[in-house]
Amino acid sequence: EVKLVESGGGLVKPGGSLRLSCAASGFIFSQAWMSWVRQTPGKGLEWVGRIKFQTDGGTTDYAAPVKGRFTISRDDSTNTLYLQMNSLKIDDTAVYYCAMIHYGAAGFWGQGTLVTVSS
Amino acid sequence: DIVMTQSPDSLAVSLGERATINCKSSQTVLYTSDNHNYVAWYQQKPGQPPKLLIYWASTRQFGVPDRFSGSESGTDFTLTISSLQAEDVAVYYCQQYHTSPHTFGQGTKLEIK
Repeated sequence: EVKLVESGGGLVKPGGSLRLSCAASGFIFSQAWMSWVRQTPGKGLEWVGRIKFQTDGGTTDYAAPVKGRFTISRDDSTNTLYLQMNSLKIDDTAVYYCAMIHYGAAGFWGQGTLVTVSS
Repeated sequence: DIVMTQSPDSLAVSLGERATINCKSSQTVLYTSDNHNYVAWYQQKPGQPPKLLIYWASTRQFGVPDRFSGSESGTDFTLTISSLQAEDVAVYYCQQYHTSPHTFGQGTKLEIK
């Protein structure tokens, strides 16, 4: 069974940093593309970015609002996906989900972790 | 960015009746190398993460009931629930994953009439 468990969310001041983790199990993590998606409280979904698996170059791709501030990385030895978030803004307040990419779409999702950016 | 526009924003349908949700992409999302439209549909129930229902515009994810179907015509995409069940109350989103950023529609809230 695919399982994704996010952690690391919390309250942070504008301009601060936070690192989210996503522990994966139930599939061959090293062979999966992974993504992060966020959802503003009470609103819709916003794609944050994705990372390919290492044999596909391990390259990353980001949405414009987070490019240059957020970094997606992975540790295949521990089956963990990361989202390093720097220079956080109030607009980054959201529930952050990690997802395993399945035929290009977000096939399996974690339960999410809440990030609140507030002074 | 490719804009995905869903309609309607909300929908109320009687139990056992058909529900239809539309999604239009602002440009093609057809991947010519495999002839698939790179569109997915998700269902999100309150307090839960989204769940993938359909990918490649019309391929049902395993385990998804066959009352859910996806169709496509050019840049127009449709999610149909053939016979609405009480557990189908949710918000439904379309997404294109053809071009980065992989944009979502604004969501359609489906309720029981």
